[in-house]
Amino acid sequence: DAGVIQSPRHEVTEMGQEVTLRCKPISGHNSLFWYRQTMMRGLELLIYFNNNVPIDDSGMPEDRFSAKMPNASFSTLKIQPSEPRDSAVYFCASSFGQGGQPQHFGDGTRLSIL
Amino acid sequence: AQSVTQPDIHITVSEGASLELRCNYSYGATPYLFWYVQSPGQGLQLLLKYFSGDTLVQGIKGFEAEFKRSQSSFNLRKPSVHWSDAAEYFCAVGTIAGNKLTFGGGTRVLVKP
Repeated sequence: DAGVIQSPRHEVTEMGQEVTLRCKPISGHNSLFWYRQTMMRGLELLIYFNNNVPIDDSGMPEDRFSAKMPNASFSTLKIQPSEPRDSAVYFCASSFGQGGQPQHFGDGTRLSIL
Repeated sequence: AQSVTQPDIHITVSEGASLELRCNYSYGATPYLFWYVQSPGQGLQLLLKYFSGDTLVQGIKGFEAEFKRSQSSFNLRKPSVHWSDAAEYFCAVGTIAGNKLTFGGGTRVLVKP
């Protein structure tokens, strides 16, 4: 079975550019999560969706970050404009059902902002 | 709000030796508990989960964890580690109220030959 698919796996771009990260959750899963992982701050939840609706975006760092989920099989995380401090690994995860279900993670996008 | 503490940032263990990783959680009701493993360059993989019932839970790759309500702990164990167990391990807690998980800071395991 296909797991959570993220693209691209690696992204290197210059500061000020727009960056778009993509995620395809596991088919049938109704919750989707975006995380950011850095050495300094560890694993941080940025935003999560339930049935395509954003439920909690309190972890989104600032207005430069935005996330959308136009349908059950696709989500994007956009950074505009990007800054060097946004360099991190970004993970997408999905889960099924309600209440304490395990999340299934993609392999992440390693983002480097020069 | 729930929280998770993994007291050990790094652990070094010899190949073939036993391993125990500590996890303490804070949550007012019965928690859902998880252990994940992250190998370099990869995402987090679920090792095992506890929802209810038997407090000793078996997982993949020979790992097990024990839920101790009185100590608010969910420690992960493996009797004999292999070099391939070198990775970072995360404990997480969830609640019946939603699908959000709260993760600990992780424990990095190094395996000596």
